[in-house]
Amino acid sequence: RKEVEQDPGPFNVPEGATVAFNCTYSNSASQSFFWYRQDCRKEPKLLMSVYSSGNEDGRFTAQLNRASQYISLLIRDSKLSDSATYLCVVTATGGGNKLTFGTGTQLKVEL
Amino acid sequence: NAGVMQNPRHLVRRRGQEARLRCSPMKGHSHVYWYRQLPEEGLKFMVYLQKENIIDESGMPKERFSAEFPKEGPSILRIQQVVRGDSAAYFCASSPTPKRDYGYTFGSGTRLTVV
Repeated sequence: RKEVEQDPGPFNVPEGATVAFNCTYSNSASQSFFWYRQDCRKEPKLLMSVYSSGNEDGRFTAQLNRASQYISLLIRDSKLSDSATYLCVVTATGGGNKLTFGTGTQLKVEL
Repeated sequence: NAGVMQNPRHLVRRRGQEARLRCSPMKGHSHVYWYRQLPEEGLKFMVYLQKENIIDESGMPKERFSAEFPKEGPSILRIQQVVRGDSAAYFCASSPTPKRDYGYTFGSGTRLTVV
């Protein structure tokens, strides 16, 4: 079983739609959680951290369920510029700030 | 304040040659991480370094790969005797602290192609 699992997609949605991505992680000792965005052939960029209390940044809402080891990302009012691959990321156990990445969910927002 | 700088952006090597990838962390950052992204795969941790020390190299292949972060100058990821399977994007990130809640910033990467 992969440490971080995501549906690879692609999710093809019309502009203005609401889309949700889910992610599960296998290591219950994981401590920090993030969503990154990666455009084609570019570096991953931090989108937002994820907290148990849930957090929102504009059109983006992230949620963590530690009991189910489940992370979600909700994007409201999708824009064409939201088209990218969204990476679910958790910190590994052990020293330092080593990140474990999911393989990503591809989103395509269409006119 | 410049971000994480990686060079070269693209590197082509013939099988058996050496590849040297450089990473200059953000100003004030003393922690450097290297990740590799194989085609159609997710990013995989390779090595975590602090100035002059390797802290965690659990993701490094046992042979041909080495990394350093000297007191002066950039961090270097060195791949000796490259093979086609080494073709990938190599990303570097830095942070001012090893704290786990810090989502660090990546450089734009080096795309290595082995021919």
